[in-house]
Amino acid sequence: AQSVAQPEDQVNVAEGNPLTVKCTYSVSGNPYLFWYVQYPNRGLQFLLKYITGDNLVKGSYGFEAEFNKSQTSFHLKKPSALVSDSALYFCAVDGSNTGKLIFGQGTTLQVKP
Amino acid sequence: KAGVTQTPRYLIKTRGQQVTLSCSPISGHRSVSWYQQTPGQGLQFLFEYFSETQRNKGNFPGRFSGRQFSNSRSEMNVSTLELGDSALYLCASSRTKETQYFGPGTRLLVL
Repeated sequence: AQSVAQPEDQVNVAEGNPLTVKCTYSVSGNPYLFWYVQYPNRGLQFLLKYITGDNLVKGSYGFEAEFNKSQTSFHLKKPSALVSDSALYFCAVDGSNTGKLIFGQGTTLQVKP
Repeated sequence: KAGVTQTPRYLIKTRGQQVTLSCSPISGHRSVSWYQQTPGQGLQFLFEYFSETQRNKGNFPGRFSGRQFSNSRSEMNVSTLELGDSALYLCASSRTKETQYFGPGTRLLVL
């Protein structure tokens, strides 16, 4: 069965510092991996995806993620955090290209000024 | 290009009633998926429609159903509402199976 784990419920970072939000996955086959962000009382906003190719993926708002097949991880990163990055972040996987996303439980990112 | 729209945005129902939620996908997108978001269970896949056919279904009881129209608009229906159905229902559309774009959601409260 496919699964996604986000081991941290909350990540706290000072503005201007680099941030990392962790994600590991378990699928059979080649995974399609995604990061979404959710602001309060809003839907999910697409940030970036890994389908194939370069392991470092760049996305919206300065975010990037690194696909690591041996560690089955897809951590979200940003070199310099902004207070406005504070939100709920979800990692998702589609292990069979079915269009069915399996989501992690989400990680709340708190960026303090 | 307009994003995914969902109506209504908020809904209050009582146990035993039924509810219909609507989703209009991004123009040109033919796939529509539905997800339920709750604090306890997180985000869970309900079903996906493509060209008016259900292609995928999650592990929800038969009280949850959906359909898609020829213009790709989709509706989901929940019959005999239970308190546990209170959730944010999110609709997502995609051109291919790769990237799903989500609407703002419909927040359903069952009393």
